[in-house]
This record gives sequence, structure tokens and C-alpha cells, in this order.
Amino acid sequence: DGGITQSPKYLFRKEGQNVTLSCEQNLNHDAMYWYRQDPGQGLRLIYYSQIVNDFQKGDIAEGYSVSREKKESFPLTVTSAQKNPTAFYLCASQFRGGHVYEQYFGPGTRLTVT
Amino acid sequence: GENVEQHPSTLSVQEGDSAVIKCTYSDSASNYFPWYKQELGKRPQLIIDIRSNVGEKKDQRIAVTLNKTAKHFSLHITETQPEDSAVYFCAASYQAGTALIFGKGTTLSVSS
Repeated sequence: DGGITQSPKYLFRKEGQNVTLSCEQNLNHDAMYWYRQDPGQGLRLIYYSQIVNDFQKGDIAEGYSVSREKKESFPLTVTSAQKNPTAFYLCASQFRGGHVYEQYFGPGTRLTVT
Repeated sequence: GENVEQHPSTLSVQEGDSAVIKCTYSDSASNYFPWYKQELGKRPQLIIDIRSNVGEKKDQRIAVTLNKTAKHFSLHITETQPEDSAVYFCAASYQAGTALIFGKGTTLSVSS
């Protein structure tokens, strides 16, 4: 289970506040991803980064922002513009090589906004 | 872009029966197809994967089959046990470093 961590495990915020979710990995992976999980919706891609200082929008990027200043870290900010932020957020990392490799997931952060 | 459809959304079996979950994908360039298992409140974990140069892969009680022509792949679990109860996700990807596109998941319940 080690290698990729997310904190905190549970997070509560008031509507209108920005909140930043942490994701750290020590697997020396180049690629990192953020997914949102809602019941019955599977995992939907928010943002991903293939290399430091570069990232791309996923399918549901509106209301979110990211940064990738270090290889080990890929924090996600949920802004007040995100209309339905309450969800389970999963971070993942992946080795980049000639083939596609397994994505390793962090334990997740459950965000509740009221 | 890639789209992955997964069926059924729920599946209930008796202990010892087999379970089959099916996925279809839209992008013929996809070449990597993993299956993840997620227990309640936990992270998804890879249970088996297959690349497009292989038609079938087995690991003990689980197997995955791939039909590139029809663009579908399936997960087979034999001799199911209560601990197999979880949500299973299929996914597809076509290029190293690109995101996996996931199906919506199948909730498998194994009753003893």
C-alpha cells in the first residue's frame, strides 16, 4: 500500500471555500492523475500530468486546478467554482516507459462540502 | 476520444459460481486493458491486465479475454468466494503516460 499517499483522508469545507488535496508519491513515477469518484459513475479524470511543470485537463476539469512543481507532488485545488465538489477523490501515479504500465492509486480523500 | 462501456452494473452470484463482466471500447488504438477491484472505502487495486497482442490471460481464479476485432474484453472469475465481493472496473488506454478511461463499474455480490 505504500508509495503514494493522499491527505487528509476526510475533509470538510463550507461552500464557497477553496480547498487543496494533497498527493505525494515516492515511486519515481513521471505521470500523475486525479480522478473523481461518485456512486455509479466510475472514475472520471480531472487532470493529469506526464512531466513536471506540465499538465492537461481531463474530462471534468471545470472548477479544479492543479500544479506540478515537483515530480513527487501533484496537489489538486477544488475551487468555489466547482458546483458539486462533494465526492471521493483519487490520485494515481504511473511509470512512463515504452508501454502503458499499471496506475497505482492513493487511498483517496473524501471531501464533503456543506 | 475513448469510451468504455461496462456491463452489468450489478451482479449477484452464489459462492462457487462463476462471474463474468464485459466491457467494450471505442478506440481501436487502445492497447492496454486493466481490471481493478475496489473494496468499500478503499483504493482501486489492479487484479489483472492484458495487452492487445494477447487474447487471454489467467491468474489463478481470474482470467481476462480480449477480442480486438469486436473491441470488447471480459473478466472471468471462477469459484467465487465472499471476499470477491467488491466493485470491479475495466479500463482502456492506448499510449504510455496517457490516462486510463474507466468503465462505470460492476458491483459484484457473492453470497454464501
